[in-house]
Amino acid sequence: DQQVKQNSPSLSVQEGRISILNCDYTNSMFDYFLWYKKYPAEGPTFLISISSIKDKNEDGRFTVFLNKSAKHLSLHIVPSQPGDSAVYFCAASAGGNNRLAFGKGNQVVVIP
Amino acid sequence: DAGVIQSPRHEVTEMGQEVTLRCKPISGHDYLFWYRQTMMRGLELLIYFNNNVPIDDSGMPEDRFSAKMPNASFSTLKIQPSEPRDSAVYFCASSLGGWETQYFGPGTRLLVL
Repeated sequence: DQQVKQNSPSLSVQEGRISILNCDYTNSMFDYFLWYKKYPAEGPTFLISISSIKDKNEDGRFTVFLNKSAKHLSLHIVPSQPGDSAVYFCAASAGGNNRLAFGKGNQVVVIP
Repeated sequence: DAGVIQSPRHEVTEMGQEVTLRCKPISGHDYLFWYRQTMMRGLELLIYFNNNVPIDDSGMPEDRFSAKMPNASFSTLKIQPSEPRDSAVYFCASSLGGWETQYFGPGTRLLVL
């Protein structure tokens, strides 16, 4: 059973506009959330994270928002750049458990 | 730093054959993770080690899969016998201190015919 769900598997956005990726989770014990970015033929790379004690974390062009009551988080990329074209994975962990549960990923294509 | 190194990058084998995937973690990292990525199930954790000791292998699909970490700089994931449904990309990742900020290798793309 998929505990972390990423719907809308692909997204196309114009360069300079905002990309918004959504992630829903079912396990209320999750308290730490991460986004990973993956280019073809490479492994995922860590992008940004957020703890459940926060509702927003920002790092440059990337911002993650967490809505605990809705069990929902989103990643905003603004402005989007062609180099952002990749697959983005949402991941979650519960109580310091070393298991990360990943979503299936969202393909983002930024059109120059 | 060379990052996490995996070999081979691609493997094509026939059903029933033994497959061995290899991983060299980042020097100094004390956690090592093996993942499998498929279209149907996404990225799944198979097993992870802490200081070379297997901690959680509940994600290993069945007895055909085994993993070892004989020392801090090397780990193997073995499938014997392999089946077509094992076809996937297998990632190794390492980290310092736990699951946060795992560094992934480039993956091994396995095709079992």
